Amino acid sequence: GAVVSQHPSRVICKSGTSVKIECRSLDFQATTMFWYRQFPKQSLMLMATSNEGSKATYEQGVEKDKFLINHASLTLSTLTVTSAHPEDSSFYICSAPQTGGYNEQFFGPGTRLTVL
Amino acid sequence: EDKVVQSPLSLVVHEGDTVTLNCSYEVTNFRSLLWYKQEKKAPTFLFMLTSSGIEKKSGRLSSILDKKELFSILNITATQTGDSAVYLCAVPITGGGNKLTFGTGTQLKVEL
Repeated sequence: GAVVSQHPSRVICKSGTSVKIECRSLDFQATTMFWYRQFPKQSLMLMATSNEGSKATYEQGVEKDKFLINHASLTLSTLTVTSAHPEDSSFYICSAPQTGGYNEQFFGPGTRLTVL
Repeated sequence: EDKVVQSPLSLVVHEGDTVTLNCSYEVTNFRSLLWYKQEKKAPTFLFMLTSSGIEKKSGRLSSILDKKELFSILNITATQTGDSAVYLCAVPITGGGNKLTFGTGTQLKVEL
């Protein structure tokens, strides 16, 4: 299957700092990527859809000014958590859908963010 | 609103047991249902089901979809400790392109 990478895998930062997470599709092009957040013992919650060449679309309740998304190329999307606070501590996962339909998505390995 | 409900929420079994995990869904426009396995990191794909009654199988895992009753089951036979994970069920959101909505997952623990 296709490979999606994320960097960093783990980050610890102080409250008030900004953190950038990268998501790359390694062997395919992705015009769309998805960003999810997962709190402990909970399921994945879709935060936003990253669109190459246009603005991201955010799910209800997700602050677009806090979670900045940039889809700079067909293989890279970045999520920046601005002015992070302890409540932003979570597991952030990106995914990219398989080209050609059928909705199978390939997930990155995730980034665990801890805000102190 | 599209919805996915999984049961049980958690399950503890002994090695060698067979388990059945359930996923029921409500979507306006059904296209497919996907099963994922999540260990410590991101989910890994198991199955995608689009047609009713056709079993998909991979080793000791199998899954089937019932589009009339709006549910799917994931079976694991001869469970091993390595099967311990959260099993997630997801469906594409109606009108949402490739967006997925996930169930809460079933936490499976296989003990010796």
